[in-house]
Amino acid sequence: DSGVTQTPKHLITATGQRVTLRCSPRSGDLSVYWYQQSLDQGLQFLIQYYNGEERAKGNILERFSAQQFPDLHSELNLSSLELGDSALYFCASSEGPGQAYNEQFFGPGTRLTVL
Amino acid sequence: GESVGLHLPTLSVQEGDNSIINCAYSNSASDYFIWYKQESGKGPQFIIDIRSNMDKRQGQRVTVLLNKTVKHLSLQIAATQPGDSAVYFCAENSGYSTLTFGKGTMLLVSP
Repeated sequence: DSGVTQTPKHLITATGQRVTLRCSPRSGDLSVYWYQQSLDQGLQFLIQYYNGEERAKGNILERFSAQQFPDLHSELNLSSLELGDSALYFCASSEGPGQAYNEQFFGPGTRLTVL
Repeated sequence: GESVGLHLPTLSVQEGDNSIINCAYSNSASDYFIWYKQESGKGPQFIIDIRSNMDKRQGQRVTVLLNKTVKHLSLQIAATQPGDSAVYFCAENSGYSTLTFGKGTMLLVSP
């Protein structure tokens, strides 16, 4: 158990809908990262927050947004969902702000299926 | 468990063999590399990392080798066990404060 929790574990929804994925980092970790993992793309970095502020942005679509709250939990919002958004979404956390030299601990993921 | 990829290269070994998993990275400016293990239905788990000023680093039963000349990274697992069966992928830090991940190799260990 990495100490990172994600809810829900599974989510099934329809195209055009909006969903929210939730992540609680390990105790003491200030950074939260979101990743998308699909069968053909591998693990893709979406966005990182550090202590409530956006720190780095990756291949995140404009339809997707995220935030980190004062208690350090984070939410990833996915809107106007398309079939291609079906994937595993992972959250990770780390102590420091940088992605290098700063071990990330991954949660168990949320499996999103868009029908 | 859930599959993380249907088209991954696969390495099949016998229990007790040594395994070598390879990764070609893309950016010659990358200065930090990590190997992750992902078991079916779980999130990736850190195995070992290496900085670009090193060419070898050893952990418990694992060794990472870095060849910057050909931009190649390898993970060696000694005395492979059935519990080592998983997808293994490398990640590189290319200097923009983000990690880029490879697609992975599936390791299958038979008893």
